[in-house]
Amino acid sequence: GIQVEQSPPDLILQEGANSTLRCNFSDSVNNLQWFHQNPWGQLINLFYIPSGTKQNGRLSATTVATERYSLLYISSSQTTDSGVYFCAVGEDSNYQLIWGAGTKLIIKP
Amino acid sequence: EADIYQTPRYLVIGTGKKITLECSQTMGHDKMYWYQQDPGMELHLIHYSYGVNSTEKGDLSSESTVSRIRTEHFPLTLESARPSHTSQYLCASTSPLYNEQFFGPGTRLTVL
Repeated sequence: GIQVEQSPPDLILQEGANSTLRCNFSDSVNNLQWFHQNPWGQLINLFYIPSGTKQNGRLSATTVATERYSLLYISSSQTTDSGVYFCAVGEDSNYQLIWGAGTKLIIKP
Repeated sequence: EADIYQTPRYLVIGTGKKITLECSQTMGHDKMYWYQQDPGMELHLIHYSYGVNSTEKGDLSSESTVSRIRTEHFPLTLESARPSHTSQYLCASTSPLYNEQFFGPGTRLTVL
């Protein structure tokens, strides 16, 4: 099956810093999503991005499907950005997501 | 976006009790899922449904059962709770337009 690897596993930054989170996957996918899990456990959709580039405020994401990776950029980090960021991929044929282990981000004030 | 509701949000129960975790969505999505997750760790699929009267077990073995009698409702039942069931349970549904999954707020279960 498809393998998903996220890096780095942990990241500690000062408020205002920029960061790049990476998601590598081992096979072709038709679905790729980025999620943020806040300290209360809620999973929040950030991007649905099987290919291309999207931006939403201070966050942007790029997926290069032919090279099997996706990047999530966070600019001017705020303490509310803290939490775990998950990448999940899937194939349309079975409608299930395969999850990475997540990147735990801590933003210090 | 989907509106997905889970109740209860928090539950502390004793060993051996039967419990049902509720999940409802208001968008008419056919595909729904239950995940189990320890805090900050990877999500594990335990059950899924592609429509009414369709239920399947996921990759992670679970002693729970599910039912799908109505499109909007996908409850999960534990017949006899044990401390090893202590975890967070997340319900999700998939938008048919883009195959994008949306999640409910989760239920944090503690079995004493």
